[in-house]
Amino acid sequence: QKEVEQNSGPLSVPEGAIASLNCTYSDRVSQSFFWYRQYSGKSPELIMSIYSNGDKEDGRFTAQLNKASQYVSLLIRDSQPSDSATYLCAVDGGTYKYIFGTGTRLKVLA
Amino acid sequence: GAVVSQHPSRVICKSGTSVKIECRSLDFQATTMFWYRQFPKKSLMLMATSNEGSKATYEQGVEKDKFLINHASLTLSTLTVTSAHPEDSSFYICSAREGGARTNEKLFFGSGTQLSVL
Repeated sequence: QKEVEQNSGPLSVPEGAIASLNCTYSDRVSQSFFWYRQYSGKSPELIMSIYSNGDKEDGRFTAQLNKASQYVSLLIRDSQPSDSATYLCAVDGGTYKYIFGTGTRLKVLA
Repeated sequence: GAVVSQHPSRVICKSGTSVKIECRSLDFQATTMFWYRQFPKKSLMLMATSNEGSKATYEQGVEKDKFLINHASLTLSTLTVTSAHPEDSSFYICSAREGGARTNEKLFFGSGTQLSVL
């Protein structure tokens, strides 16, 4: 069974620090990887997508992908209290399905 | 990013009634849409995959006669919860896939529908 694993947290970081969120996946043929942010009571919002090994930066966010290790991470620089949310890792599961992790709850302390 | 519109955002209904939820991709054509269900503090649970012009593919354990899905056009999919019961109360979220190849596709979500069945 294809799986996406995340630490549920909460991960607490002080304001201004770097938050590091990690995700591992089981399906070696996955080609698309996503990070979503979800506030309580709201639907997920796409933060980053990454498709090839290495780093991809967008503003304060950097996604890192290592297909050999089946590992994808999200770094949030200069964390703000407004970044406090649950971050979902998603991986394409083939046949256009997407498999979501259970999410990591991030708390940025002011 | 692409916009996916979902209505209504909140529904309160009596047990035994049916509820229809609409999901529209506003600025792109979505050949594939997905319907998820989410319980408080839990992750997304895929209910079904909806393909334009064909029958939806339901995940194991999801009753297709209870959760009717129609994907009549490239921009609209609907989920109808038939004869709703209190246990159907949940947050329902649709999503639409943008992009043709697996290496550039993205999945965008609607704003969700909170269903409360009394």
